[in-house]
Amino acid sequence: QSALTQPASVSGSPGQSITISCTGTSSDVGGYYYVSWYQQHPGKAPKLMIYEVSNRPSGISNRFSGSRSDNTASLTISGLQAEDEADYYCSSYTSSSTHYVFGSGTKVTVL
Amino acid sequence: EVQLVQSGAEVKKPGESLRISCKGSGYSFTSQWIGWVRQMPGKGLEWMGRIDPDDSYTNYSPSFQGHVTMSVDKSITTAYLQWSSLKASDTAVYYCARLASSWYGSPWGQGTLVTVSS
Repeated sequence: QSALTQPASVSGSPGQSITISCTGTSSDVGGYYYVSWYQQHPGKAPKLMIYEVSNRPSGISNRFSGSRSDNTASLTISGLQAEDEADYYCSSYTSSSTHYVFGSGTKVTVL
Repeated sequence: EVQLVQSGAEVKKPGESLRISCKGSGYSFTSQWIGWVRQMPGKGLEWMGRIDPDDSYTNYSPSFQGHVTMSVDKSITTAYLQWSSLKASDTAVYYCARLASSWYGSPWGQGTLVTVSS
């Protein structure tokens, strides 16, 4: 099971919106509502930002939103802030023997 | 507060054995699976597998099957990840996470850095 495909980097200016894509197959991203997104700052543990494609956990800013179209999931960060600079990973349940797979990761830079 | 607290950093030699721990608190430990994730230096997240704290049933990712062992001691709400013979390529940060039934991890432990070097 290969990692889900994410762009290596995305950047934006403060206040702008950016979107990170996560491409898989019908055996993972496109086949189940079990897509989630994590934020990881350097030297820190990952933090759940979105679960079940588009749900935000309690305490997560509504500037973060998730969606999916066919085999591609997306994370949109609106009103970009300096604190949003981090690595972001998507993940999904998969019908393969791995059961779970992460994306390759995207580094978000706030210009 | 729901928390997972992992054991501290380890420095080992190739061929040595190791067990790291992940202690859960603030919730019913046996009600949700614990997953383990590897992050090699400068790299992304890799799924290793999961364990059911209630009955110790495990699912390993094929990439890790046979090289690590997951276990739990539910009497002390602690999950373990162990190696019988470490390799230099096992050098990484290892995270545990509480896994929901809809396959997302929250919260995560703070991570355990394992360094394997001769």
